[in-house]
Amino acid sequence: GNSVTQMEGPVTLSEEAFLTINCTYTATGYPSLFWYVQYPGEGLQLLLKATKADDKGSNKGFEATYRKETTSFHLEKGSVQVSDSAVYFCALSDQGETSGSRLTFGEGTQLTVNP
Amino acid sequence: NAGVMQNPRHLVRRRGQEARLRCSPMKGHSHVYWYRQLPEEGLKFMVYLQKENIIDESGMPKERFSAEFPKEGPSILRIQQVVRGDSAAYFCASSREPASNQPQHFGDGTRLSIL
Repeated sequence: GNSVTQMEGPVTLSEEAFLTINCTYTATGYPSLFWYVQYPGEGLQLLLKATKADDKGSNKGFEATYRKETTSFHLEKGSVQVSDSAVYFCALSDQGETSGSRLTFGEGTQLTVNP
Repeated sequence: NAGVMQNPRHLVRRRGQEARLRCSPMKGHSHVYWYRQLPEEGLKFMVYLQKENIIDESGMPKERFSAEFPKEGPSILRIQQVVRGDSAAYFCASSREPASNQPQHFGDGTRLSIL
């Protein structure tokens, strides 16, 4: 079955530090990969996506590259801000005959950025 | 263009009562997914519905849980005879198409607390 493994948190950084959150996956087909962000008390917001190997998703200074050879989709940002403090979820979508595009999520990584 | 609307935001029930969670997908979206997030965990898929049809309920507990998405009105997740272990955040997501490269849009969730 499909699975997603994220680096364990929590992660605490100072403002303007470099961020990496590791994500690796296992899938039977050719999945699409996503990063979602969850702010306290809210639902998940799509941060970025990549739908095929070597695609790079980017948004709001965050980037992630779909690496099929290492089955990875690591999230990076060059300079984090306090407002980036949230929980980050890596997810994959592998369309099956009956499953639509159900998402399989990692456990989430709590990021705290201090001023 | 309104996003995915879930209500109530918070729901408190006593053991043995019924809980009804509602989800109105984004306009133009006919695919609805329900996920459950237990404390300190990632989201787990429960059920995938299209209008008037349950497509995949492989993530739903076999007893007490049911879901529907009628021709008119919101999707409903129903939990009968609730127990303490049902306490969680329940998120609904919708998409325009079932394709795996189409992102899902999430509501803010219903936080269910069982006394």
